[in-house]
Amino acid sequence: AQSVTQLDSQVPVFEEAPVELRCNYSSSVSVYLFWYVQYPNQGLQLLLKYLSGSTLVESINGFEAEFNKSQTSFHLRKPSVHISDTAEYFCAVSKAAGNKLTFGGGTRVLVKP
Amino acid sequence: EAGVTQFPSHSVIEKGQTVTLRCDPISGHDNLYWYRRVMGKEIKFLLHFVKESKQDESGMPNNRFLAERTGGTYSTLKVQPAELEDSGVYFCASSQDLYYNEQFFGPGTRLTVL
Repeated sequence: AQSVTQLDSQVPVFEEAPVELRCNYSSSVSVYLFWYVQYPNQGLQLLLKYLSGSTLVESINGFEAEFNKSQTSFHLRKPSVHISDTAEYFCAVSKAAGNKLTFGGGTRVLVKP
Repeated sequence: EAGVTQFPSHSVIEKGQTVTLRCDPISGHDNLYWYRRVMGKEIKFLLHFVKESKQDESGMPNNRFLAERTGGTYSTLKVQPAELEDSGVYFCASSQDLYYNEQFFGPGTRLTVL
């Protein structure tokens, strides 16, 4: 069985400051890793994913995450946040293509002006 | 292309009543998933359909929950009878390409059992 831990339930951050959302997972098998974002009153949207290859993955809106196998982590970073990044972010894993996602508890990011 | 839609967006019922949630996946997506988030906890998997067949129902909490997917199109999740602990947000997701495993989520149905 897999499990995902998001160490911070809430992260307040000022606009244009950097942010890092931490995600650690445990699994007895190789996993695929995902970050989803939920903006207010919307469904979850895929932000980025790691399936294989380069351990650094990037999204189109400036987020990046790095897969660290030895530390079983997949932390999400953005060097400069915008007000529009205010949302809840979820880290998730699945053990195979098409399999169910196992989510962390979510991290609420509140970007302040 | 329309996204995943869910109906209703909110439902408030009393303990012991029956509620049916509906999910319409993206057209052409054979894979349909149900998840649930109980207040303050993580999003948890309930079950996975491939077309009309249940591929994995390991997350269904008990036999008060019944999921169906008629003709491999839309899906319903019925809770009968509802209990207080069933309150939460029920998400539906669909995917087409198993390899890339991108699941597209609906906005969720917020269920409140009083």
